[in-house]
Amino acid sequence: DTAVSQTPKYLVTQMGNDKSIKCEQNLGHDTMYWYKQDSKKFLKIMFSYNNKELIINETVPNRFSPKSPDKAHLNLHINSLELGDSAVYFCASSREQGIGGYTFGSGTRLTVV
Amino acid sequence: QKEVEQDPGPLSVPEGAIVSLNCTYSNSAFQYFMWYRQYSRKGPELLMYTYSSGNKEDGRFTAQVDKSSKYISLFIRDSQPSDSATYLCAMAEETSGSRLTFGEGTQLTVNP
Repeated sequence: DTAVSQTPKYLVTQMGNDKSIKCEQNLGHDTMYWYKQDSKKFLKIMFSYNNKELIINETVPNRFSPKSPDKAHLNLHINSLELGDSAVYFCASSREQGIGGYTFGSGTRLTVV
Repeated sequence: QKEVEQDPGPLSVPEGAIVSLNCTYSNSAFQYFMWYRQYSRKGPELLMYTYSSGNKEDGRFTAQVDKSSKYISLFIRDSQPSDSATYLCAMAEETSGSRLTFGEGTQLTVNP
Protein backbone atom coordinates (compact mmCIF):
# COMPACT_ATOMS: atom_id res chain seq x y z
CA ASP A 1 0.00 0.00 0.00
CA THR A 2 1.25 3.48 -0.83
CA ALA A 3 1.03 5.54 2.29
CA VAL A 4 2.57 7.51 5.09
CA SER A 5 3.06 5.19 8.02
CA GLN A 6 4.10 6.20 11.50
CA THR A 7 4.89 4.20 14.60
CA PRO A 8 3.91 3.76 17.29
CA LYS A 9 0.17 4.44 17.09
CA TYR A 10 -0.11 4.98 20.83
CA LEU A 11 2.54 6.04 23.30
CA VAL A 12 1.99 6.38 27.04
CA THR A 13 5.01 7.48 29.03
CA GLN A 14 6.03 9.23 32.22
CA MET A 15 7.17 12.81 32.54
CA GLY A 16 10.87 13.24 32.04
CA ASN A 17 11.29 10.30 29.68
CA ASP A 18 12.72 10.50 26.15
CA LYS A 19 10.76 8.99 23.28
CA SER A 20 10.87 8.75 19.48
CA ILE A 21 8.22 8.56 16.79
CA LYS A 22 9.12 7.18 13.37
CA CYS A 23 7.63 8.04 9.99
CA GLU A 24 8.09 6.56 6.54
CA GLN A 25 6.49 7.41 3.21
CA ASN A 26 6.60 5.35 0.02
CA LEU A 27 4.92 7.95 -2.20
CA GLY A 28 8.15 9.29 -3.67
CA HIS A 29 7.47 12.70 -2.14
CA ASP A 30 10.29 15.17 -1.57
CA THR A 31 8.93 16.95 1.49
CA MET A 32 7.94 15.60 4.89
CA TYR A 33 6.39 17.29 7.91
CA TRP A 34 5.50 16.92 11.54
CA TYR A 35 2.23 18.41 12.74
CA LYS A 36 0.83 18.55 16.26
CA GLN A 37 -2.92 18.30 16.89
CA ASP A 38 -4.03 19.47 20.31
CA SER A 39 -7.12 18.45 22.27
CA LYS A 40 -9.21 21.03 20.39
CA LYS A 41 -8.25 19.36 17.09
CA PHE A 42 -6.15 22.32 15.96
CA LEU A 43 -3.34 21.24 13.63
CA LYS A 44 -0.11 23.20 13.77
CA ILE A 45 3.08 22.65 11.82
CA MET A 46 6.21 21.86 13.78
CA PHE A 47 8.87 20.94 11.22
CA SER A 48 9.31 20.45 7.51
CA TYR A 49 12.10 18.72 5.60
CA ASN A 50 12.74 18.88 1.89
CA ASN A 51 15.15 16.26 0.55
CA LYS A 52 16.60 15.75 4.04
CA GLU A 53 17.10 19.48 4.55
CA LEU A 54 15.24 21.32 7.35
CA ILE A 55 13.15 24.10 5.80
CA ILE A 56 10.59 24.92 8.50
CA ASN A 57 11.29 24.97 12.21
CA GLU A 58 8.39 26.58 14.03
CA THR A 59 8.57 27.88 17.58
CA VAL A 60 8.91 24.47 19.13
CA PRO A 61 10.86 23.73 22.35
CA ASN A 62 14.31 22.42 21.55
CA ARG A 63 13.40 19.25 23.42
CA PHE A 64 11.86 18.28 20.07
CA SER A 65 14.42 17.23 17.48
CA PRO A 66 13.52 15.95 14.01
CA LYS A 67 15.85 13.76 12.00
CA SER A 68 15.64 12.80 8.34
CA PRO A 69 18.06 10.00 7.40
CA ASP A 70 16.72 10.04 3.82
CA LYS A 71 13.85 11.65 1.99
CA ALA A 72 11.50 8.75 2.72
CA HIS A 73 11.93 8.94 6.50
CA LEU A 74 11.39 11.63 9.11
CA ASN A 75 11.64 10.80 12.79
CA LEU A 76 10.80 12.92 15.82
CA HIS A 77 12.69 12.61 19.08
CA ILE A 78 11.36 14.25 22.22
CA ASN A 79 13.52 14.71 25.32
CA SER A 80 12.36 15.27 28.88
CA LEU A 81 8.68 14.82 28.12
CA GLU A 82 6.22 17.17 29.84
CA LEU A 83 2.49 16.86 30.51
CA GLY A 84 1.80 19.57 27.90
CA ASP A 85 3.37 17.43 25.19
CA SER A 86 0.34 15.15 25.28
CA ALA A 87 -1.26 15.43 21.83
CA VAL A 88 -1.61 13.59 18.55
CA TYR A 89 1.43 13.94 16.31
CA PHE A 90 0.94 13.55 12.58
CA CYS A 91 3.56 12.93 9.98
CA ALA A 92 2.77 14.05 6.43
CA SER A 93 4.44 14.21 3.04
CA SER A 94 3.91 16.08 -0.21
CA ARG A 95 5.37 16.80 -3.64
CA GLU A 96 7.28 20.00 -4.31
CA GLN A 97 6.89 21.68 -0.95
CA GLY A 98 3.16 21.20 -0.55
CA ILE A 99 1.81 21.63 -4.05
CA GLY A 100 -1.03 19.18 -4.62
CA GLY A 101 -1.75 18.80 -0.92
CA TYR A 102 -0.35 16.67 1.84
CA THR A 103 -0.82 12.98 2.62
CA PHE A 104 -1.07 12.39 6.35
CA GLY A 105 -0.21 9.38 8.44
CA SER A 106 -2.74 8.03 10.91
CA GLY A 107 -1.13 9.77 13.88
CA THR A 108 0.68 8.91 17.11
CA ARG A 109 -1.38 9.58 20.24
CA LEU A 110 1.12 10.60 22.92
CA THR A 111 0.01 10.67 26.54
CA VAL A 112 2.43 11.91 29.18
CA VAL A 113 1.50 10.95 32.74
CA GLN B 1 -6.93 37.18 15.52
CA LYS B 2 -6.39 33.79 13.88
CA GLU B 3 -5.19 33.72 10.28
CA VAL B 4 -7.92 31.23 9.39
CA GLU B 5 -11.33 31.22 11.06
CA GLN B 6 -13.65 28.22 10.90
CA ASP B 7 -16.82 27.64 12.88
CA PRO B 8 -16.14 24.50 14.94
CA GLY B 9 -19.81 23.49 15.03
CA PRO B 10 -20.96 20.92 15.84
CA LEU B 11 -23.21 20.75 12.79
CA SER B 12 -25.94 18.10 12.62
CA VAL B 13 -27.99 17.49 9.45
CA PRO B 14 -30.41 14.80 8.20
CA GLU B 15 -29.28 12.37 5.53
CA GLY B 16 -29.70 13.82 2.03
CA ALA B 17 -29.24 17.44 3.11
CA ILE B 18 -26.89 19.88 1.42
CA VAL B 19 -24.09 20.84 3.78
CA SER B 20 -22.23 24.13 3.56
CA LEU B 21 -18.91 24.53 5.38
CA ASN B 22 -16.98 27.79 5.37
CA CYS B 23 -13.71 29.44 6.30
CA THR B 24 -12.55 33.02 6.27
CA TYR B 25 -8.96 34.14 6.26
CA SER B 26 -6.96 37.31 6.67
CA ASN B 27 -3.74 36.60 4.72
CA SER B 28 -4.17 37.88 1.17
CA ALA B 29 -1.04 35.95 0.10
CA PHE B 30 -2.81 32.60 0.40
CA GLN B 31 -3.08 30.99 -3.04
CA TYR B 32 -3.58 27.27 -2.35
CA PHE B 33 -6.80 26.21 -0.66
CA MET B 34 -7.64 22.75 0.57
CA TRP B 35 -10.32 20.84 2.41
CA TYR B 36 -9.47 17.82 4.51
CA ARG B 37 -11.78 15.28 6.11
CA GLN B 38 -10.76 13.68 9.39
CA TYR B 39 -12.55 10.71 10.87
CA SER B 40 -12.23 10.08 14.58
CA ARG B 41 -8.78 8.77 15.52
CA LYS B 42 -7.56 8.93 11.91
CA GLY B 43 -5.30 11.25 9.94
CA PRO B 44 -6.68 14.10 7.77
CA GLU B 45 -7.53 13.01 4.24
CA LEU B 46 -7.33 15.46 1.34
CA LEU B 47 -10.77 16.05 -0.23
CA MET B 48 -10.33 19.08 -2.46
CA TYR B 49 -7.39 21.15 -3.67
CA THR B 50 -7.79 24.51 -5.43
CA TYR B 51 -5.34 27.05 -6.71
CA SER B 52 -6.47 30.70 -6.51
CA SER B 53 -10.13 31.64 -7.03
CA GLY B 54 -12.90 29.60 -8.61
CA ASN B 55 -14.95 26.47 -8.20
CA LYS B 56 -14.00 22.82 -8.29
CA GLU B 57 -16.35 19.87 -8.30
CA ASP B 58 -15.66 16.25 -7.45
CA GLY B 59 -18.68 13.97 -7.18
CA ARG B 60 -20.89 15.22 -4.36
CA PHE B 61 -18.30 17.78 -3.24
CA THR B 62 -17.88 21.33 -4.53
CA ALA B 63 -15.19 23.73 -3.34
CA GLN B 64 -15.47 27.46 -3.90
CA VAL B 65 -12.83 30.12 -3.36
CA ASP B 66 -13.61 33.84 -3.35
CA LYS B 67 -10.30 35.62 -2.87
CA SER B 68 -11.87 39.08 -3.02
CA SER B 69 -13.89 38.26 0.10
CA LYS B 70 -11.21 35.98 1.61
CA TYR B 71 -13.83 33.27 1.93
CA ILE B 72 -13.83 29.60 0.98
CA SER B 73 -16.63 27.06 1.05
CA LEU B 74 -17.16 23.34 0.76
CA PHE B 75 -20.58 22.04 -0.29
CA ILE B 76 -21.62 18.44 0.20
CA ARG B 77 -24.68 17.34 -1.79
CA ASP B 78 -26.87 14.40 -0.81
CA SER B 79 -25.02 14.02 2.47
CA GLN B 80 -24.57 10.49 3.83
CA PRO B 81 -23.97 9.17 7.36
CA SER B 82 -20.49 8.19 6.14
CA ASP B 83 -19.75 11.93 5.66
CA SER B 84 -19.87 12.35 9.45
CA ALA B 85 -16.39 13.61 10.32
CA THR B 86 -14.44 16.78 11.10
CA TYR B 87 -13.78 18.96 8.06
CA LEU B 88 -10.67 21.12 8.07
CA CYS B 89 -9.89 23.96 5.71
CA ALA B 90 -6.21 24.63 5.01
CA MET B 91 -4.33 27.28 3.04
CA ALA B 92 -0.83 28.10 1.90
CA GLU B 93 1.04 30.94 0.25
CA GLU B 94 2.53 30.36 -3.19
CA THR B 95 6.00 31.32 -2.04
CA SER B 96 6.02 28.98 0.92
CA GLY B 97 3.77 26.18 -0.22
CA SER B 98 5.11 23.90 2.43
CA ARG B 99 3.51 25.77 5.32
CA LEU B 100 -0.17 24.87 5.60
CA THR B 101 -2.31 26.95 7.92
CA PHE B 102 -5.38 25.07 9.15
CA GLY B 103 -8.74 26.17 10.44
CA GLU B 104 -9.80 24.51 13.65
CA GLY B 105 -12.23 22.17 11.90
CA THR B 106 -16.02 21.78 11.78
CA GLN B 107 -17.50 18.65 13.29
CA LEU B 108 -20.30 17.32 11.06
CA THR B 109 -22.84 14.62 11.90
CA VAL B 110 -25.21 13.31 9.21
CA ASN B 111 -28.15 11.52 10.80
CA PRO B 112 -29.81 8.59 8.99
